[in-house]
Amino acid sequence: DIQLTQSPSLLSASVGDRVTITCRASQGISSYVGWYQEKPGKAPKLLTYGVSTLRSGVPSRFSGSGSGTEFTLTISSLQPEDFATYYCQQFNSYPLTFGGGTKVDIK
Amino acid sequence: QVQLVQSGAEVQKPGASVKVSCKTSGYSFNGHFLHWVRQAPGQGLEWMGWINPATGDTKYAQKFQGWVTMTRDTSITTAYMELSRLRFGDTAVYFCARAAGDCTRVNCYDPSQHYMDVWGSGTTVTVSS
Repeated sequence: DIQLTQSPSLLSASVGDRVTITCRASQGISSYVGWYQEKPGKAPKLLTYGVSTLRSGVPSRFSGSGSGTEFTLTISSLQPEDFATYYCQQFNSYPLTFGGGTKVDIK
Repeated sequence: QVQLVQSGAEVQKPGASVKVSCKTSGYSFNGHFLHWVRQAPGQGLEWMGWINPATGDTKYAQKFQGWVTMTRDTSITTAYMELSRLRFGDTAVYFCARAAGDCTRVNCYDPSQHYMDVWGSGTTVTVSS
């Protein structure tokens, strides 16, 4: 199984900050990674897929990058509604797996 | 619009079974696989498996083999996930989620189609004696 390790697990930031979350895969997953945002009591929402394709309707301050085994999600200017937990997911091979999550909270 | 509406919260005793439903609307039911993902309290997301609504084919994570059953009723565009022999550790929120791949255009058996573009709101299953 492909393990995904996210770092950091907790990130404290302020509105307007540039935030970067990393997802490392235990083996190469090509470009088959997606990022999700989850808020308490709500279902996850897809942000990006295929490394850098932004889902329709997702603000352009979100961007994804990376290749092979290391991927990042960047929020260029953190907004109040962005305080949430973020998960990466690989869809390169079965079983599908998720990272452990990164909680972004208010500094 | 595309919607996945899940059944309500359940409380079950250890050893019992639970069946969660996921009513879909707003798209072709047969055109997208459906996943089940669970989240234990304070924990991350865990993939359980998918069902192909068109054929009933299923693929389960090895951990859940022999323990989970995914089915569907095409007449009411609803998918189901049944988990048997419940244990306290099965207390979690169970989500259904649509695979993004459109099976009329791509090979939906390919894992590369399996990011999840629409999610249900989740069903809380509590296992308690």
